[in-house]
Amino acid sequence: ILNVEQSPQSLHVQEGDSTNFTCSFPSSNFYALHWYRWETAKSPEALFVMTLNGDEKKKGRISATLNTKEGYSYLYIKGSQPEDSATYLCASKPDTGNQFYFGTGTSLTVIP
Amino acid sequence: NAGVMQNPRHLVRRRGQEARLRCSPMKGHSHVYWYRQLPEEGLKFMVYLQKENIIDESGMPKERFSAEFPKEGPSILRIQQVVRGDSAAYFCASSPSSPLARLAEVDTQYFGPGTRLTVL
Repeated sequence: ILNVEQSPQSLHVQEGDSTNFTCSFPSSNFYALHWYRWETAKSPEALFVMTLNGDEKKKGRISATLNTKEGYSYLYIKGSQPEDSATYLCASKPDTGNQFYFGTGTSLTVIP
Repeated sequence: NAGVMQNPRHLVRRRGQEARLRCSPMKGHSHVYWYRQLPEEGLKFMVYLQKENIIDESGMPKERFSAEFPKEGPSILRIQQVVRGDSAAYFCASSPSSPLARLAEVDTQYFGPGTRLTVL
């Protein structure tokens, strides 16, 4: 079993604030890291797939970085908006087997 | 282009009954994953299937649980003789290729809305 941890568990920020949260995963046998955004009553939606150490991906105000040597990824949201309120999940995929290992998510609430 | 469909969205069963959960992958996707989410926990892998084949069922309980993905029709997760501990949200996801495809981007899984199973 591969341990993927996310912190913080939940977060409340004011509209306009920038924020970030962390996904930690075992660095050995690493293959890929996926970030998902999960709004209440909807399906998890893929945000980023990252594979290379030092990778940085961006989609609008959301960006993510990856450090495979130390086993962590950061997700950043610049100028948070109420519509960013969701749970953000990360999932690590090792280079053997078929399993994706999910963290328990960071629940973000953006207060207008 | 319809996304991943799951039905039913909510299912109530009494202890000892059977639960059948269906998942129709996205068009063109031949790989299906099933996950279970227990209250206050993250998504836990159960099984990975391709058409007509179970590739990895290492996350699925050995008894009472089975999964299939026939050549035609949706993937089915079956839970026999349900117990209260089976109450959870069950999600399926589909992808166009296998998890170790050399292009990691095609590993991306597309999730369905889930089936919430309640066992009374």
